[in-house]
Amino acid sequence: QVQLVQSGAEVKKPGSSVKVSCKASGGTFSSYTISWVRQAPGQGLEWMGRIIPILGIANYAQKFQGRVTITADKSTSTAYMELSSLRSEDTAVYYCAVSQTHAFDIWGQGTMVTVSS
Amino acid sequence: DIQMTQSPSSLSASVGDRVTITCQASQDISNYLNWYQQKPGKAPKLLIYDASNLETGVPSRFSGSGSGTDFTFTISSLQPEDIATYYCQQYDNLPPSFGGGTKVEIK
Repeated sequence: QVQLVQSGAEVKKPGSSVKVSCKASGGTFSSYTISWVRQAPGQGLEWMGRIIPILGIANYAQKFQGRVTITADKSTSTAYMELSSLRSEDTAVYYCAVSQTHAFDIWGQGTMVTVSS
Repeated sequence: DIQMTQSPSSLSASVGDRVTITCQASQDISNYLNWYQQKPGKAPKLLIYDASNLETGVPSRFSGSGSGTDFTFTISSLQPEDIATYYCQQYDNLPPSFGGGTKVEIK
């Protein structure tokens, strides 16, 4: 069974960048898709983008185009999500999630990113 | 982008009650509809995939139905541990999109 472990909480200044990691274990890293989903405090779930590690191809939600970069390191079974030009509205919990079929089957524990001056 | 409209946004029911949540897609998504449970401070958990398939290990009191644009999620007999927010999500087209969530509370 795949398990995902994310990096720890971050506090960032407006205008800076954050890079969150998501390390997978217990499965074949290259055989599935990894998405990033965020949740602002008290709000719903928002898909940001995904990567297919075996292809190295990433797709992004239009809302985040130009600000988000999702990468994957097959040698360490780790996916990364970097978000730049941070603003207060980016304060949220960021989740990585694996898709082995048409659902988000397994989720990481979440990483809280706080953007504050 | 496909919009997912979920209702109600919250509900209160008694232990043992049957609970129903609906989700409507802005266009035909076949059966590419999933349901998740999220408890406070925790990551979402997949309960139902492809509209009606129960994820392994999920209690059989949870069920889903529907196809096309209209979907239903049911808890046949509400239990105290079912207190959570439930989300529908479509995966027919990119970007995947979620409903607004339904917060389920015990009366």
